[in-house]
Amino acid sequence: AQSVSQHNHHVILSEAASLELGCNYSYGGTVNLFWYVQYPGQHLQLLLKYFSGDPLVKGIKGFEAEFIKSKFSFNLRKPSVQWSDTAEYFCAVSRDDKIIFGKGTRLHILP
Amino acid sequence: EADIYQTPRYLVIGTGKKITLECSQTMGHDKMYWYQQDPGMELHLIHYSYGVNSTEKGDLSSESTVSRIRTEHFPLTLESARPSHTSQYLCASSEFSLGSGANVLTFGAGSRLTVL
Repeated sequence: AQSVSQHNHHVILSEAASLELGCNYSYGGTVNLFWYVQYPGQHLQLLLKYFSGDPLVKGIKGFEAEFIKSKFSFNLRKPSVQWSDTAEYFCAVSRDDKIIFGKGTRLHILP
Repeated sequence: EADIYQTPRYLVIGTGKKITLECSQTMGHDKMYWYQQDPGMELHLIHYSYGVNSTEKGDLSSESTVSRIRTEHFPLTLESARPSHTSQYLCASSEFSLGSGANVLTFGAGSRLTVL
């Protein structure tokens, strides 16, 4: 079955640590890829997206993600996290008008 | 300001009651979606719509129904609520990007339903 897998369900880091959240998908062919973020008490919102072109995409708040087609991956990275990055992060894949989400990764940053 | 609104934000009701979760968007988006989200689980698509008078069932089977009589409005109804319906329901609409052929979702704040 087509799916989106996020490897880490709960990540705890200290401020200034580097972050990488894994995301793999099982769709073949052309896909569009997204990371959404939900800060405590707020709506889900778009963090960054990949449609085509440069596989390294930059989003808001210093986040970036790299699309590696051969690995079916779209990992999210940030070189130095802040306490305000505490949130839940969802990877998503769009194909044929449907957008499928992973289970999410809850990120907790220690001050 | 363009946005997407969901009401109620929180609802606690008894088994057997009929409920309607409201969703409205002011962005003029044609596509709208309902997702169901449980803690620690992925968002499951339960309904979507391409436009007025268009409704489709999503990947997760749901006893709820939806309607799309107006572009901006996409309510979800449960005729007889049960404890198994306890969940968070997220409404979203999407802007179609002509350049990429992709949909970027804008979400509402969600409606958290508890059925006793």
